[in-house]
Amino acid sequence: DAKTTQPPSMDCAEGRAANLPCNHSTISGNEYVYWYRQIHSQGPQYIIHGLKNNETNEMASLIITEDRKSSTLILPHATLRDTAVYYCIVRVASGNTGKLIFGQGTTLQVKP
Amino acid sequence: EAGVVQSPRYKIIEKKQPVAFWCNPISGHNTLYWYRQNLGQGPELLIRYENEEAVDDSQLPKDRFSAERLKGVDSTLKIQPAELGDSAVYLCASSSGLSGNTIYFGEGSWLTVV
Repeated sequence: DAKTTQPPSMDCAEGRAANLPCNHSTISGNEYVYWYRQIHSQGPQYIIHGLKNNETNEMASLIITEDRKSSTLILPHATLRDTAVYYCIVRVASGNTGKLIFGQGTTLQVKP
Repeated sequence: EAGVVQSPRYKIIEKKQPVAFWCNPISGHNTLYWYRQNLGQGPELLIRYENEEAVDDSQLPKDRFSAERLKGVDSTLKIQPAELGDSAVYLCASSSGLSGNTIYFGEGSWLTVV
């Protein structure tokens, strides 16, 4: 079973920041937080991941709380092409247990 | 760099017929995954390979599903015979197998069983 909880859906206005929350209260010390998104009829696309510290790349920022029990994915300036299902996943990234277990994700609808 | 390549992209077959999906992972990636995604659901792992060895196939329905990864590169996933409930997207993914590595997915093979 997935170890994360996400809201089923969210809306965001085009050009505004999209903040997608994720709860992972049972995360272990050796588990990373990964974010993927899936645009309709495509395979899941990697966005970003982190362990303890906040992370930023060209796509998004990841804010992880100090207790690591929740995180927020931030798309700074959402566009219509960011409409997708966003998956938050905790994953042991070492050894032979690094598989991804997907939950239901959050459907983000970016509106003009 | 080429991503994970899958074929066919779409397949429609009648029930009880066989079907096969092919996957070419990213060059140098020794870990390969097959996932199945039902409509409206997140992907679920079917099988994971480390090189040519299947190290996690606990979710693969072995009565009708089979997979192989000869030479530890390309992989095929076969269903024989297909059932109506097998209609889904079959996703292949790969990773380098190192600690902290990222898993990359292909576009998927869309199967419709009629």
